[in-house]
Amino acid sequence: GAVVSQHPSRVICKSGTSVKIECRSLDFQATTMFWYRQFPKQSLMLMATSNEGSKATYEQGVEKDKFLINHASLTLSTLTVTSAHPEDSSFYICSASTGPFSRNTIYFGEGSWLTVV
Amino acid sequence: QKEVEQDPGPLSVPEGAIVSLNCTYSNSAFQYFMWYRQYSRKGPELLMYTYSSGNKEDGRFTAQVDKSSKYISLFIRDSQPSDSATYLCAMSDVYSGYALNFGKGTSLLVTP
Repeated sequence: GAVVSQHPSRVICKSGTSVKIECRSLDFQATTMFWYRQFPKQSLMLMATSNEGSKATYEQGVEKDKFLINHASLTLSTLTVTSAHPEDSSFYICSASTGPFSRNTIYFGEGSWLTVV
Repeated sequence: QKEVEQDPGPLSVPEGAIVSLNCTYSNSAFQYFMWYRQYSRKGPELLMYTYSSGNKEDGRFTAQVDKSSKYISLFIRDSQPSDSATYLCAMSDVYSGYALNFGKGTSLLVTP
């Protein structure tokens, strides 16, 4: 079946540095990918929609200059957390769809735990 | 008011019990309803998908959608310890594409 892969699964970075998280669709092309953030015991909150070859669409309240999204190819989207702070520590998950019309074709990556120290 | 409300639990049941998980929502435009299972520190896994109202059954899982009440349910029959996880409801409307609105998730523990 379709697989969405994220890397790294865990990352620890120092406050003030930047960290990049990759989301890959392994056996299908994804023109659109989605980035979510999940704090402990909270729901997944959509951060942005990543569109291949164009700018990402950010949800209200998400700083586009802090969370840089690049979707350079049909199989790869990256999320870069710039100038990370401890409050950015969270679980980041991406999703992608294999098909154009059905919500049951949405697959999630395994997530990336970011800890900013 | 959040668009999707879900009791976070935790919910503890003995093995073999029938589990009922529920979500309510406020956006009448939602037409696509999903249930995901999430194990600790992992990405969500799709369990059930329903379009509009009605019931859907898949093995031990049954999903119900009542759009008139803005209420969806997931039933797990003959629950197993391996069902212990967090269950997230998610939904979307036709306008938001594949962006999903999630509930907080209900933590389920099935004890042997």
